[in-house]
Amino acid sequence: TQLLEQSPQFLSIQEGENLTVYCNSSSVFSSLQWYRQEPGEGPVLLVTVVTGGEVKKLKRLTFQFGDARKDSSLHITAAQTGDTGLYLCAHRPPLGGSYIPTFGRGTSLIVHP
Amino acid sequence: EAGVAQSPRYKIIEKRQSVAFWCNPISGHATLYWYQQILGQGPKLLIQFQNNGVVDDSQLPKDRFSAERLKGVDSTLKIQPAKLEDSAVYLCASSLEIRDKFSQSYGYTFGSGTRLTVV
Repeated sequence: TQLLEQSPQFLSIQEGENLTVYCNSSSVFSSLQWYRQEPGEGPVLLVTVVTGGEVKKLKRLTFQFGDARKDSSLHITAAQTGDTGLYLCAHRPPLGGSYIPTFGRGTSLIVHP
Repeated sequence: EAGVAQSPRYKIIEKRQSVAFWCNPISGHATLYWYQQILGQGPKLLIQFQNNGVVDDSQLPKDRFSAERLKGVDSTLKIQPAKLEDSAVYLCASSLEIRDKFSQSYGYTFGSGTRLTVV
């Protein structure tokens, strides 16, 4: 089983600040997904990254997949209170392998007004 | 498009009692997942169905947990008897399971979950 390490575990910042959270593994990802989970709700898919070195932007969120496809980062610019939530990364193993989707423990982000 | 429906939203039971959760996935989604999310952790897969067949249940504590998806649509997850450590949010998700590794469409759509408290 490929383990996903997310850091930091907790992050508390003021509105307007920038932040970066990380997702790492000792093994290569075939692809990786980022989710945001708000309190009392299920996780919502933000993005899927597939190609090493890939960068995707979703408004103020920038997602990067490492060149070696063993790590990924999520950068939020000018955080807003609505960004508060649990940010989870998840991977699916390569087609033909074990078909168990795996989530990291997440980064809990609180943005204060 | 209607989302993944789960019920109940909340449930409080005493240890050793039984409980059942219900999930109705997005119409047309062949694959259904049940996850357990303990406070402060990411979701952990319990069981995966493809239509009405089990794909993987290796992480399901089968001595007390059971799940079924008899007609390949709705699913129920049961715990009997419950233990204190079963207190968690139980999430259901469904997906189209497009078997193309370059596709961005195999993300899961989650329901809002059932928060179980065992006292």
